[in-house]
Amino acid sequence: EAGVAQSPRYKIIEKRQSVAFWCNPISGHATLYWYQQILGQGPKLLIQFQNNGVVDDSQLPKDRFSAERLKGVDSTLKIQPAKLEDSAVYLCASTPVDGRTDTQYFGPGTRLTVL
Amino acid sequence: GIQVEQSPPDLILQEGANSTLRCNFSDSVNNLQWFHQNPWGQLINLFYIPSGTKQNGRLSATTVATERYSLLYISSSQTTDSGVYFCAAGLTGGGNKLTFGTGTQLKVEL
Repeated sequence: EAGVAQSPRYKIIEKRQSVAFWCNPISGHATLYWYQQILGQGPKLLIQFQNNGVVDDSQLPKDRFSAERLKGVDSTLKIQPAKLEDSAVYLCASTPVDGRTDTQYFGPGTRLTVL
Repeated sequence: GIQVEQSPPDLILQEGANSTLRCNFSDSVNNLQWFHQNPWGQLINLFYIPSGTKQNGRLSATTVATERYSLLYISSSQTTDSGVYFCAAGLTGGGNKLTFGTGTQLKVEL
């Protein structure tokens, strides 16, 4: 079974520019998460989707961050405009909704550097 | 929200040694997961263990939900065990939202 796919793997931008990240979850996984991991810290949840609806976006800085999940499958996370403090690894994860487990499966992440 | 604390923050072992990592959480949870983040940044789920004990090869985990802690045991450590170990806790009723601890950085030396 293919894992969670993310692209790009690395991105370097200037502050005030915009950037977008893409995630393709494991096939059949209904729940998708975006996390931000700052160096030296644990991942922090930004937004959670169930199919194509938002379940939790309480920690998403909505003035600059946006996310969508197209047709309940792929998802994109956008930052516009980027700030220096947005430098982090952005992780996507997915979970099957089958009632047997809540195990989260993570993608390789996108490392963002804002200069 | 739920607070998750992990100890120790750093650990250096000789290959072959055993270790115990601890995770304390502030509230009742019914979702507790352990992850290993390898040096390349990939997070791998080790255990989904809201209660009880599980074993997978040289790794095992125990969660005592009533006392709000979980332990990860690594036996006969290998250099490939190096990386950061994260504990994450949450409530499935809360949409399976996980709060991560700050991790234990493990280095296994020859």
